[in-house]
Amino acid sequence: AQKVTQAQTEISVVEKEDVTLDCVYETRDTTYYLFWYKQPPSGELVFLIRRNSFDEQNEISGRYSWNFQKSTSSFNFTITASQVVDSAVYFCALSEAPGNTGKLIFGQGTTLQVKP
Amino acid sequence: DSGVTQTPKHLITATGQRVTLRCSPRSGDLSVYWYQQSLDQGLQFLIQYYNGEERAKGNILERFSAQQFPDLHSELNLSSLELGDSALYFCASSEGFGAASYEQYFGPGTRLTVT
Repeated sequence: AQKVTQAQTEISVVEKEDVTLDCVYETRDTTYYLFWYKQPPSGELVFLIRRNSFDEQNEISGRYSWNFQKSTSSFNFTITASQVVDSAVYFCALSEAPGNTGKLIFGQGTTLQVKP
Repeated sequence: DSGVTQTPKHLITATGQRVTLRCSPRSGDLSVYWYQQSLDQGLQFLIQYYNGEERAKGNILERFSAQQFPDLHSELNLSSLELGDSALYFCASSEGFGAASYEQYFGPGTRLTVT
């Protein structure tokens, strides 16, 4: 069965600190897709990144970076030099490939609070 | 703004009642997904439609049903409402189906409160 675990329920940092949000997934599929979404206080879900299981290259987008390691079934998200606007709930998600409907299986989310 | 619209934004109703949530996907998107976000269950996939046909079903209760119309908008019907149905209901859309090529873009959600 597919499962996503975000063990960190809440993280609090001071502005400009770096912070890493952990994500561990379980799947029997060899082809799958991993995602991160951001849910700011306004409530909408904002797409951040999609990664397929064959691409283990780390990705950097501005202050955001993602580390995908198949050996540990992890897809961690790092925010460098955090800002108050980064305060949100962050969700890691998994999508199966067989059947490939695209439905997302979400982790429980990590609430990040960045204090000024 | 994702381009996905959901109405209404808020809905307050009583137990036993029936409500309809509406979703308009982004222009050109053929797939619509419904998700439920509650404190107890987190974010859960309910059901997916692609071009009017049901493609996948998740943990959707029998009291809930959905459809996608020829103009591609979708409606989620919730009946015999219980207190536990109080949640934020999201609609998402994507160009096709499958995570291989298509990101899902989420609407702002409908917050349902059952009293």
